[in-house]
Amino acid sequence: AQSVTQLDSHVSVSEGTPVLLRCNYSSSYSPSLFWYVQHPNKGLQLLLKYTSAATLVKGINGFEAEFKKSETSFHLTKPSAHMSDAAEYFCVVSVTSGTYKYIFGTGTRLKVLA
Amino acid sequence: DGGITQSPKYLFRKEGQNVTLSCEQNLNHDAMYWYRQDPGQGLRLIYYSQIVNDFQKGDIAEGYSVSREKKESFPLTVTSAQKNPTAFYLCASSIGELAPFFGPGTRLTVL
Repeated sequence: AQSVTQLDSHVSVSEGTPVLLRCNYSSSYSPSLFWYVQHPNKGLQLLLKYTSAATLVKGINGFEAEFKKSETSFHLTKPSAHMSDAAEYFCVVSVTSGTYKYIFGTGTRLKVLA
Repeated sequence: DGGITQSPKYLFRKEGQNVTLSCEQNLNHDAMYWYRQDPGQGLRLIYYSQIVNDFQKGDIAEGYSVSREKKESFPLTVTSAQKNPTAFYLCASSIGELAPFFGPGTRLTVL
């Protein structure tokens, strides 16, 4: 069965320091993986996606993620945090079994300190 | 501009009432989804539809109903059978292997 685990419910970083949001997945298939960001009372915006083309995926706003099959991980990173990065981040795995469904992690709330 | 419209943005329901949340997309996407979001629980799938006139239950369909009469529209009705409907509801759509695109959400509060 497919699942996704976000290892930290809250992460705090200082502005200008690196960001690391951790995600582990379980999938019987070759997975498609995504990271979304959600600002308060807003919908989700796609940051980046992995669909087996390249293991290092670059997204919007300076974020990137690396797919590591041996570790079943898809951690999200950014070299330097900005105040506007404060939001909730969701790791998502797609389930492909005839129809597309998506399984969401429980989210990581990122706080950026001035 | 292509996108998803959800209305209303805020909705208040009295105990025992049915309410309908609207979701309209002009992206020409085949698939549409309804998710419920509660604090600390991520998103949970209520219903999804791959094509017009067909839909499937998700993980938490009890107390909800949907229809898909048009490709662009996927309204969600929260019935009185849903015992704890207060939540943030998100509609999404997708096509093929592309990542789902989300609407801005509707916040439902039971008075």
